[in-house]
Amino acid sequence: AQSVTQLDSHVSVSEGTPVLLRCNYSSSYSPSLFWYVQHPNKGLQLLLKYTSAATLVKGINGFEAEFKKSETSFHLTKPSAHMSDAAEYFCVVSDGEYGNKLVFGAGTILRVKS
Amino acid sequence: KAGVTQTPRYLIKTRGQQVTLSCSPISGHRSVSWYQQTPGQGLQFLFEYFSETQRNKGNFPGRFSGRQFSNSRSEMNVSTLELGDSALYLCASSLWGAGTEAFFGQGTRLTVV
Repeated sequence: AQSVTQLDSHVSVSEGTPVLLRCNYSSSYSPSLFWYVQHPNKGLQLLLKYTSAATLVKGINGFEAEFKKSETSFHLTKPSAHMSDAAEYFCVVSDGEYGNKLVFGAGTILRVKS
Repeated sequence: KAGVTQTPRYLIKTRGQQVTLSCSPISGHRSVSWYQQTPGQGLQFLFEYFSETQRNKGNFPGRFSGRQFSNSRSEMNVSTLELGDSALYLCASSLWGAGTEAFFGQGTRLTVV
């Protein structure tokens, strides 16, 4: 079965500094990978997706992620953090060759200090 | 284009009662999936409906059930509520199926007392 591991449960950065949220995945197939963000008491918003096209994926709000098959990683980055980026971020893999469901990582809470 | 709508946003129920949650997907989307989110277990897949048929089911007891109507709107029902059913229930709408790009509603916060 497919799985994802988010390597940090909490990340704290200062406003204006880079953000790195780490994710490793396990998949028997060529995976579809996603990053979602959840602000407090809100639903999940899709940040970006990888579906076997370009390995560097650009998303909304200045976020991007790079798919590295050799490292089975899909880390999320942003050059400069903004206070509004404070939220919980989920790395997600599609389960199975035919994508029967989404499998979520445990989440990383991003704190942005002023 | 309207997003995914879940109703109600908040619910408080008593143990032993049953509850029905509703989800209206994005127009044109035939797949509706349900997820349970709790602090201890994270986000877990409940089931997916596609064109009124349940296609996939997660590892939840039979007390959790669902259905989908011809207009793609979906309902989720939980019978004989337990305290552990307290959670945020999220509905996801997608064009191609549960394992593809999904758009989530704001969720229904269920509290069982």
